[in-house]
Amino acid sequence: AQKITQTQPGMFVQEKEAVTLDCTYDTSDQSYGLFWYKQPSSGEMIFLIYQGSYDEQNATEGRYSLNFQKARKSANLVISASQLGDSAMYFCAMRDQGGSEKLVFGKGTKLTVNP
Amino acid sequence: ETGVTQTPRHLVMGMTNKKSLKCEQHLGHNAMYWYKQSAKKPLELMFVYSLEERVENNSVPSRFSPECPNSSHLFLHLHTLQPEDSALYLCASSQGFGGLQGTDTQYFGPGTRLTVL
Repeated sequence: AQKITQTQPGMFVQEKEAVTLDCTYDTSDQSYGLFWYKQPSSGEMIFLIYQGSYDEQNATEGRYSLNFQKARKSANLVISASQLGDSAMYFCAMRDQGGSEKLVFGKGTKLTVNP
Repeated sequence: ETGVTQTPRHLVMGMTNKKSLKCEQHLGHNAMYWYKQSAKKPLELMFVYSLEERVENNSVPSRFSPECPNSSHLFLHLHTLQPEDSALYLCASSQGFGGLQGTDTQYFGPGTRLTVL
């Protein structure tokens, strides 16, 4: 069974600094996708970034980048130049290759950006 | 309207009530999903619809009844709920079952926060 582990319940970062949110995963599939979502206190899950298991380069989207280490089964999210609006819950998720498009989510990390 | 919308945003109901949650996507997607998010638990997939057909039912109690009349609308009918059903219910949509071609990302609505008394 697939599993996503986020070991940091909470993280703090100073405004304008970079922060890394950890995510490790467990799967026996060779082909899979990894996602990061942001959930502000309003509740909406906002898609941030995607990494495919066969992608050779780490994904980047603006201030977000994904540090993908396949051998270690880790997919850490790096947020550069943190902003106050980045304070939120962050979820790592994985999709299997079975075609069901089922996403398995981790428990999340609560990020607080301090001024 | 753009993206995925959900109504109502907040709902309080008694255990004997019947209510419905509504989700609408304006993205031209073919697949829609219901998720449940309880406090201190990972997001749980409840139902998946592809082209209006249910393709996955994740062992959800029968007091939750989904309906997908077309590819843009998804409902979750609620009846005789329990207090432990209080949670944030999130709807999502995606392009469809394209395997792992491209991202086929799921886009979420703002959720309905349900309280069962």
